[in-house]
Amino acid sequence: AAGVIQSPRHLIKEKRETATLKCYPIPRHDTVYWYQQGPGQDPQFLISFYEKMQSDKGSIPDRFSAQQFSDYHSELNMSSLELGDSALYFCASSSRGAGVTDTQYFGPGTRLTVL
Amino acid sequence: LAKTTQPISMDSYEGQEVNITCSHNNIATNDYITWYQQFPSQGPRFIIQGYKTKVTNEVASLFIPADRKSSTLSLPRVSLSDTAVYYCLVGFSGGYNKLIFGAGTRLAVHP
Repeated sequence: AAGVIQSPRHLIKEKRETATLKCYPIPRHDTVYWYQQGPGQDPQFLISFYEKMQSDKGSIPDRFSAQQFSDYHSELNMSSLELGDSALYFCASSSRGAGVTDTQYFGPGTRLTVL
Repeated sequence: LAKTTQPISMDSYEGQEVNITCSHNNIATNDYITWYQQFPSQGPRFIIQGYKTKVTNEVASLFIPADRKSSTLSLPRVSLSDTAVYYCLVGFSGGYNKLIFGAGTRLAVHP
């Protein structure tokens, strides 16, 4: 079965640079979530989109922005990168139309290293 | 969102049954209980979800007592590959809902 695709899988950037992470949800999934997981930490919710509209916002820095496109893929844009942004970034997708339970399926993640 | 409490770590041996209990005293009427598994440097993987009583799938069982203030994830006959972090999450799953990960349980399975 098709899974969530994230690209790139690894990214190395310098401080103050920008980065763009991409997420391609499971086909027919309409909701995308972004999570950040720092070293030794638990995943933290950043932001989510449903039908191309932002649906919820968590602890996402103002330097970050995201959007969901008409084909439902999503991009997380990160500017003025800081050392503390080094983390695994996961995208998850779900389908609201699937019923009451909204199971999220996670991608393999993008490992961002800021030097 | 209901706060969850689960053991920080557990140890087991291959072939044993492992039961991980999660406490969620403030669970709301509309809340579901969901368990995820995460291997190092991989995305969390959905294991099982339930609302009450018992749910079973091909990898695990989930036991939820009548008061729903706790739940127990049961992994039958664990193997070394079950070594991972297990997260218990509680929240309303109608429509979209962010997942709030608390401190999961680090399960180590030994030969």
